[in-house]
Amino acid sequence: GIQVEQSPPDLILQEGANSTLRCNFSDSVNNLQWFHQNPWGQLINLFYIPSGTKQNGRLSATTVATERYSLLYISSSQTTDSGVYFCAVTPTGSGNTPLVFGKGTRLSVIA
Amino acid sequence: GAVVSQHPSWVICKSGTSVKIECRSLDFQATTMFWYRQFPKQSLMLMATSNEGSKATYEQGVEKDKFLINHASLTLSTLTVTSAHPEDSSFYICSARVGDSSNSPLHFGNGTRLTVT
Repeated sequence: GIQVEQSPPDLILQEGANSTLRCNFSDSVNNLQWFHQNPWGQLINLFYIPSGTKQNGRLSATTVATERYSLLYISSSQTTDSGVYFCAVTPTGSGNTPLVFGKGTRLSVIA
Repeated sequence: GAVVSQHPSWVICKSGTSVKIECRSLDFQATTMFWYRQFPKQSLMLMATSNEGSKATYEQGVEKDKFLINHASLTLSTLTVTSAHPEDSSFYICSARVGDSSNSPLHFGNGTRLTVT
């Protein structure tokens, strides 16, 4: 099946710093989502971005589908950004198929 | 729109008992729902695909007789953990999307944290 690799696995930032999280995938996809899982386990959908670039406040994401990677940018990080960031994809194909998750990037933002 | 509601948020049960978790699509119909499991410090792993009006399909290594899935309506899927044991303690989370194509985002419930004592 499709492989999803995220880097770095762990990241510690000083508040106010910027960061880039990367997601590589091994096959073509028709769905890619970035999530933030907060300390209570809640999965917050950040972006649905199978291709192109999107921005939402301090967060932005870019997916280059032809090169099989996606990037999540966090600018001016805040302590509330701490948590685990997951990239998840659905391989190209027909039907209603599930997302395959990467192992995540664990982000700690310190004041 | 596209809200998935999951209940309960957390449950503690004794070893040997059964626990039912409900997953509802509040403002859309879902012929398919997906159940994931997440152990501490790990990623989300697909357990099973729930199909309205037909049998669920389970991923390799998931015991279908232990994790009973019932998708009785277009807005409700239930996961019952039967004869729960401490190793079943985990975070269970369901998801669904609007429509029947993968070309739309998957929406997740808030999850159920199960602790088996």
